[in-house]
Amino acid sequence: NAGVTQTPKFQVLKTGQSMTLQCAQDMNHNSMYWYRQDPGMGLRLIYYSASEGTTDKGEVPNGYNVSRLNKREFSLRLESAAPSQTSVYFCASSGGGDYSYEQYFGPGTRLTVT
Amino acid sequence: AQSVTQLGSHVSVSEGALVLLRCNYSSSVPPYLFWYVQYPNQGLQLLLKYTSAATLVKGINGFEAEFKKSETSFHLTKPSAHMSDAAEYFCAVSGGNNNDMRFGAGTRLTVKP
Repeated sequence: NAGVTQTPKFQVLKTGQSMTLQCAQDMNHNSMYWYRQDPGMGLRLIYYSASEGTTDKGEVPNGYNVSRLNKREFSLRLESAAPSQTSVYFCASSGGGDYSYEQYFGPGTRLTVT
Repeated sequence: AQSVTQLGSHVSVSEGALVLLRCNYSSSVPPYLFWYVQYPNQGLQLLLKYTSAATLVKGINGFEAEFKKSETSFHLTKPSAHMSDAAEYFCAVSGGNNNDMRFGAGTRLTVKP
């Protein structure tokens, strides 16, 4: 049982390049999330998917797109990377819509945009 | 909307001393509250959660937190710090739906020998 996995672990992009961050969970969770973590700002929600086939914007969605490929996988795409998107990105999942469910986090992707 | 304020971005204690990490929340609905821990270069791991069953919540690694509605607080404590407790700790609040969890800015705990 791997929990939440993310690829890649590290990535360096040049301004304007695109890339997709991959996330998968094996806990049969309905909900999945993408966060970014910046020093002194905690985690901020980029996009989430409450169930397969649905996605919604979070607190900081600009410059990102997502795809909920199936129940297991939720990808985050940067179409034209900017230095302001340098951050650590975390994927998370949770069991359902009840807000008592804790979220389980992946190990993160460290992205640098030069 | 809900929000969380963690008082103190850095806390330093000696090994064996009391750990107290402060968290105050704001929520328009009865909140669900969480403490997560993040070790270097890792993701977040749940320490404990408050879901209205009991105001004193016990978590992993000897940590506990008390929900105080009158003070809108959910402070994290551990009676005796261990070197392995050195990490960053995040308080989070959820209310309304699970897609609206808000995290505090984090408190970095240093444990001195």
